[in-house]
Amino acid sequence: KQEVTQIPAALSVPEGENLVLNCSFTDSAIYNLQWFRQDPGKGLTSLLLIQSSQREQTSGRLNASLDKSSGRSTLYIAASQPGDSATYLCAVDLETSGSRLTFGEGTQLTVNP
Amino acid sequence: GAGVSQTPSNKVTEKGKYVELRCDPISGHTALYWYRQSLGQGPEFLIYFQGTGAADDSGLPNDRFFAVRPEGSVSTLKIQRTERGDSAVYLCASSLEYLNTEAFFGQGTRLTVV
Repeated sequence: KQEVTQIPAALSVPEGENLVLNCSFTDSAIYNLQWFRQDPGKGLTSLLLIQSSQREQTSGRLNASLDKSSGRSTLYIAASQPGDSATYLCAVDLETSGSRLTFGEGTQLTVNP
Repeated sequence: GAGVSQTPSNKVTEKGKYVELRCDPISGHTALYWYRQSLGQGPEFLIYFQGTGAADDSGLPNDRFFAVRPEGSVSTLKIQRTERGDSAVYLCASSLEYLNTEAFFGQGTRLTVV
């Protein structure tokens, strides 16, 4: 069974700091990995999708990397802002799962002004 | 519409009652998914549709849960004889195609069973 683990569970940083969120998964036979943002009481907003053949994706201050063979992904946030405060979730789309996503439990990020 | 729409946004119901949760996917998206998220947890898969048919319903917890998508667009998740343990946020997502495409989520329906 695919397991997705996110470390740390919670992170608090001062504004302007660069930070890294980690995601690991046990089954490397994936189609893709997605990073989502979830604000309190809200749904999920897709941030980045990395195909299994790709090493990284960038969008603005966000950069996500994927090392499929070691079962790891990182989300790098540059120059963090208070508006980045949210829960960040990673999810993998397994080749054997027929398009369902398997999620980690998320990292709750707080960026302090 | 521009995004995935879910109604109602909040639903409070009494134990034992029947509830329906609605999802309007992004126009043109053929795949539709339902997930359930408990407090402090990541979403867990319930069921997904490719077109009108349920391609995989293995995540439904028991036979009190059922979902339909009769015309290949709007979907309804139905829960019979609700229990307090059913309280959670129910999320709907859609994607353009069946495999290996980006999923877009709605805002969710927060179900509270009292």
